[in-house]
Amino acid sequence: GENVEQHPSTLSVQEGDSAVIKCTYSDSASNYFPWYKQELGKRPQLIIDIRSNVGEKKDQRIAVTLNKTAKHFSLHITETQPEDSAVYFCAASDSGYSTLTFGKGTMLLVSP
Amino acid sequence: DVKVTQSSRYLVKRTGEKVFLECVQDMDHENMFWYRQDPGLGLRLIYFSYDVKMKEKGDIPEGYSVSREKKERFSLILESASTNQTSMYLCASSPLQGGTEAFFGQGTRLTVV
Repeated sequence: GENVEQHPSTLSVQEGDSAVIKCTYSDSASNYFPWYKQELGKRPQLIIDIRSNVGEKKDQRIAVTLNKTAKHFSLHITETQPEDSAVYFCAASDSGYSTLTFGKGTMLLVSP
Repeated sequence: DVKVTQSSRYLVKRTGEKVFLECVQDMDHENMFWYRQDPGLGLRLIYFSYDVKMKEKGDIPEGYSVSREKKERFSLILESASTNQTSMYLCASSPLQGGTEAFFGQGTRLTVV
């Protein structure tokens, strides 16, 4: 089955800095790569996703890049703010039953 | 707004008890999932269902079973709760077609004593 590795497990940045979280996946059939943000005590919520026919996608301060050849994808957050502090999960899925395989998460802490 | 609702936010059960965790979604989604979330281990798939009365094992099905009698409802059953099943349990739903967003419930924090 699919295996998703995520790094780093924790990331501390100063407000205004950029943050990058990286993930690798093992199954070449995977074609959908979402990123979820989970604030403390809340449910995971989708913040951005990318499909295998696209190399990069941006939404305001967040962007995701995908390298299918190398089987890795990354989340980029620019101009970080304290409200970006949360746990971020990457995931991968094929087009079958839409089951998502998640990475182990990255705790991002943005200090004012 | 998509709503995925789990019946309990917190549960405390005794070892050996049979435990039911209930999940209801209101978006007519075909797929429903149960994940377990533990610190440092991320979200791990226990079981999923893509149709009424259908179920498929995920990555960690041992000690669990599921029931889906109606499209909107997906139940997770711990036949005989054990302390190593103390965890946060998250239900999710999504449309049948692949490559779509999964919507999560608020989670049930289960403690087995």
